[in-house]
Amino acid sequence: SQELEQSPQSLIVQEGKNLTINCTSSKTLYGLYWYKQKYGEGLIFLMMLQKGGEEKSHEKITAKLDEKKQQSSLHITASQPSHAGIYLCGAAKPNSGGGADGLTFGKGTHLIIQP
Amino acid sequence: DSGVTQTPKHLITATGQRVTLRCSPRSGDLSVYWYQQSLDQGLQFLIQYYNGEERAKGNILERFSAQQFPDLHSELNLSSLELGDSALYFCASSVSAQGNWNIQYFGAGTRLSVL
Repeated sequence: SQELEQSPQSLIVQEGKNLTINCTSSKTLYGLYWYKQKYGEGLIFLMMLQKGGEEKSHEKITAKLDEKKQQSSLHITASQPSHAGIYLCGAAKPNSGGGADGLTFGKGTHLIIQP
Repeated sequence: DSGVTQTPKHLITATGQRVTLRCSPRSGDLSVYWYQQSLDQGLQFLIQYYNGEERAKGNILERFSAQQFPDLHSELNLSSLELGDSALYFCASSVSAQGNWNIQYFGAGTRLSVL
């Protein structure tokens, strides 16, 4: 079965600084999702990457997919208190119909922003 | 607000009991996914339904079962509850399981405490 390893497990960053979170898969990545979760709350969709080399950005968050390295990274520029939370990467497993089944998630990266 | 509604938000019960968790997907979404999140196991995929039929199974215990009704809402039934079943249970929905890497939108979750 596929496993996703996220690093670091936790991160404390001063407000305004940049940071990067990594997600490495034990198997080929067909599709990679990034979600953010506030403690004890639901997951908020951030971005989905499907193709090797693909890069997407939304506001100050950029995600990249390195298919050869079976890795994705999430980069936050000029961090703000609103960025605090748990970041989870999820890998999609393709099904016979050409779509994707349930996601396999990493353990998450806990991000704390210090004012 | 993701548009996915889960009830109840909190559930406290005793070992050996049976509970039912309910999920209403976003309007127009045909697929429903159930996930379990615990401190030791992280976020794990349990089961997926698509337009009323079971589509994929993950790490779902035999004591657990689910169904999706004609109006597309779904219920997750947990029986013979054990202390280790205490967790956050999430429902997610997406437009389709076929031919598309759809975004899964998550509900706010049901927190189950087994005493």
